Parts: sequence; structure tokens; C-alpha cells
Amino acid sequence: DAKTTQPTSMDCAEGRAANLPCNHSTISGNEYVYWYRQIHSQGPQYIIHGLKNNETNEMASLIITEDRKSSTLILPHATLRDTAVYYCIVRPNAGGTSYGKLTFGQGTILTVHP
Amino acid sequence: NAGVTQTPKFRVLKTGQSMTLLCAQDMNHEYMYWYRQDPGMGLRLIHYSVGEGTTAKGEVPDGYNVSRLKKQNFLLGLESAAPSQTSVYFCASSPLGAGKDEQYFGPGTRLTVT
Repeated sequence: DAKTTQPTSMDCAEGRAANLPCNHSTISGNEYVYWYRQIHSQGPQYIIHGLKNNETNEMASLIITEDRKSSTLILPHATLRDTAVYYCIVRPNAGGTSYGKLTFGQGTILTVHP
Repeated sequence: NAGVTQTPKFRVLKTGQSMTLLCAQDMNHEYMYWYRQDPGMGLRLIHYSVGEGTTAKGEVPDGYNVSRLKKQNFLLGLESAAPSQTSVYFCASSPLGAGKDEQYFGPGTRLTVT
């Protein structure tokens, strides 16, 4: 699986957009970009994933560069409850004989302040 | 739906004791996983299962055994607990199929081995 690089920590003001970058320069053609977050002491929570097109759901937007070597997770209106560790993970999609192994790195600690 | 539940939530063991952690999911998911998370670290995959009656080793399987006798349950066993197994254990499940393999995590089991 391709490795990812994320900033160790970021700050964001409540109500503003939080833009979390992720570098994955060694990503291969069949690998997806997944984002999870982990709020303190809880299990990780799936946010969004994509292959090459930008994606949006009720939680966030995912912007993937055309060369797919980096991506940005956007929380459009951050709240205090969005304070968490955000993990960017790159891996093949599961299915058939494959399985959805997630390799968690250190992630980005996002702190949303009033 | 309850989602993914884990039993127990907390446990203290003495070195050499054994125990079983239970994970249950009510989403009819094919895949199930056991991870451990040490302080300040990302999650590491212990064992996983791609279906009822099947199990496989993950990244850090030593000292653990698993069983998937029923589709909805995934058991993690520690035969002879060691202090190095002090950790938070998370179970997860995901559905089979491309584009549907986001993982859903349980609340975790906090295990201390003295």
C-alpha cells in the first residue's frame, strides 16, 4: 500500500473551513484514498473515500489532485466536535479475495478552537 | 441497529491469565477485523476475517488467536496475557464489494495486563 504523509497538527477556528492535506506520491492506479477520524478514546469513524474524482458527502469533501499524488479533506464549517485525529489512508478497494486492510499512520491532530 | 459492539469495555488481567474479547455486528457484514492501539500510535491490524469460518493474520498476530464461527461474531483470544498486550482493542466490520468497504468500528476494549 502507498504510504501517506500528513502534518502532525493543525488548528482551525470554529465555523471556518478546515483543510487537511495528505501526500501520497507513490499511489498506484488501483488504490483509493480513504479518510477516517478518531475522536478521543473512541473508535475510528469513516469520513469519505475516492479514487480520482472529487467526492462530497454530508460530512466532508475530498479533493484529489489530477496526478493523484495528493489530496485534501475539507470540513466546510468546523465545529468543536470535529476536534480529532484525522487519518489519510491509501489502499486497494476490497472485494473478491482481497480484504479492506487499513494501515493507520500517525494522522493529523486537528484542534478546532472557539 | 446497534452497529459494532464490544465486550467487555474494560478489563485488568494478571500476566499469564487468558481471556476472550467478543465483537458483534448486526449489519450483516462479511469482513471483520481486530486492531490494537497503543498510546500515541495508530491502529495496527491483529487478525481479520473475510467470512464465516475464515480467519487470517494481520500485522501483529503473535500472542492472539481468533475465531469466526458465526458471521456476526468475531472473537479475539489471549491465551497467556503479557504486559506488552496492554492496549486498547478495536473491532471493525465492513461489507463485501467494491465501493462499499468503509469500516465501522466498535467503541473499544481497554485491557491492562499487570
